[in-house]
Amino acid sequence: DAKTTQPPSMDCAEGRAANLPCNHSTISGNEYVYWYRQIHSQGPQYIIHGLKNNETNEMASLIITEDRKSSTLILPHATLRDTAVYYCIVRVADTGNQFYFGTGTSLTVIP
Amino acid sequence: NAGVTQTPKFQVLKTGQSMTLQCAQDMNHEYMSWYRQDPGMGLRLIHYSVGAGITDQGEVPNGYNVSRSTTEDFPLRLLSAAPSQTSVYFCASSRGGFGETQYFGPGTRLLVL
Repeated sequence: DAKTTQPPSMDCAEGRAANLPCNHSTISGNEYVYWYRQIHSQGPQYIIHGLKNNETNEMASLIITEDRKSSTLILPHATLRDTAVYYCIVRVADTGNQFYFGTGTSLTVIP
Repeated sequence: NAGVTQTPKFQVLKTGQSMTLQCAQDMNHEYMSWYRQDPGMGLRLIHYSVGAGITDQGEVPNGYNVSRSTTEDFPLRLLSAAPSQTSVYFCASSRGGFGETQYFGPGTRLLVL
């Protein structure tokens, strides 16, 4: 599975959009981009995933560049409850192959 | 649905003691897995199961045993606890493989003295 690179930490003002980047320059054609987050002391929570098209759900939007070498998770109106560690994971979406979480980006939403 | 449940929430062990961390899910998921998370680090996969009776090793399996006798339960056993196993342990389940959305339990915090 392709490795990912994320900034270790970011701040965002409450009510503003939080844009979390992820580089995955070695991604292959059949690998998906997944985002999970972990609020302090809780188990990780699925946010969104995509292959090459941009995706949106009730939690966030995922923007994947045309060459698929990087992506951005967008939380449109960040709240204090969005303070968490956000993990970008790239892997093939089939059975087997392990899920590597890495160290993620610690997002702090500031009042 | 209760989702994924884990017991106990907290546990303190002495070196050499054994214990079992319990994990159960009521979503009829085939995949279940155990992760550990150490301070400042991401989650690392210990063992996983693709269905009842089938288990496999993850990234850091040494010192841990698992079995999967039912779809619902996936216990993690520490046969002889060591201080290096002090960590937070998370259990997860998914309908299909790791590519499917994984649902995580609340975690078990283990301290080995």
